[in-house]
Amino acid sequence: AQTVTQSQPEMSVQEAETVTLSCTYDTSESDYYLFWYKQPPSRQMILVIRQEAYKQQNATENRFSVNFQKAAKSFSLKISDSQLGDAAMYFCAYRSAAPGTYKYIFGTGTRLKVLA
Amino acid sequence: DTGVSQDPRHKITKRGQNVTFRCDPISEHNRLYWYRQTLGQGPEFLTYFQNEAQLEKSRLLSDRFSAERPKGSFSTLEIQRTEQGDSAMYLCASGRTGQNTEAFFGQGTRLTVV
Repeated sequence: AQTVTQSQPEMSVQEAETVTLSCTYDTSESDYYLFWYKQPPSRQMILVIRQEAYKQQNATENRFSVNFQKAAKSFSLKISDSQLGDAAMYFCAYRSAAPGTYKYIFGTGTRLKVLA
Repeated sequence: DTGVSQDPRHKITKRGQNVTFRCDPISEHNRLYWYRQTLGQGPEFLTYFQNEAQLEKSRLLSDRFSAERPKGSFSTLEIQRTEQGDSAMYLCASGRTGQNTEAFFGQGTRLTVV
């Protein structure tokens, strides 16, 4: 079974600085998708960024980028120029690309605090 | 359509009572998921529908839990004979069949069993 591990329960970053959140996963599959979701306090989860395992190029979305290391099964999220609105829980998630398997498997999350 | 809608947002119930939650997915989405999230944890998968068919259920989903998605539109999650351990946030998400599709989440229903 696939698992997702986030080893940083909490991280802090100064406003305008850069922070990296870690995620590792375990799978025997070669084709899958990886996601970072953001969950602000008392608000719904929204997608931050996604990565297809077959793509070698790291995904980027404005201030958010990932470092996808397939062999190491590592998928970290870098947030540049951190803003107060980035404060939230961040969840790493895995989804198989195999037909018939559609569930998302989440890590335990990292709480990001942004200091003014 | 503004997104995935869940009702109610909060539910307080006495132990032993039955509760039912509703989820309205984004209209063109054929996939629907239920997750449970407890404090300090990530969402745990409960069940998944594609259209009206329930294709996967977690072992977490005991006999007291049942989910339906009649006509492939909205879905309901019922918990019978609630226990204190059922207290959690119940999240619904929807998505479309195809590559690269993300799951869109609702705001959740927070259940407190007293």
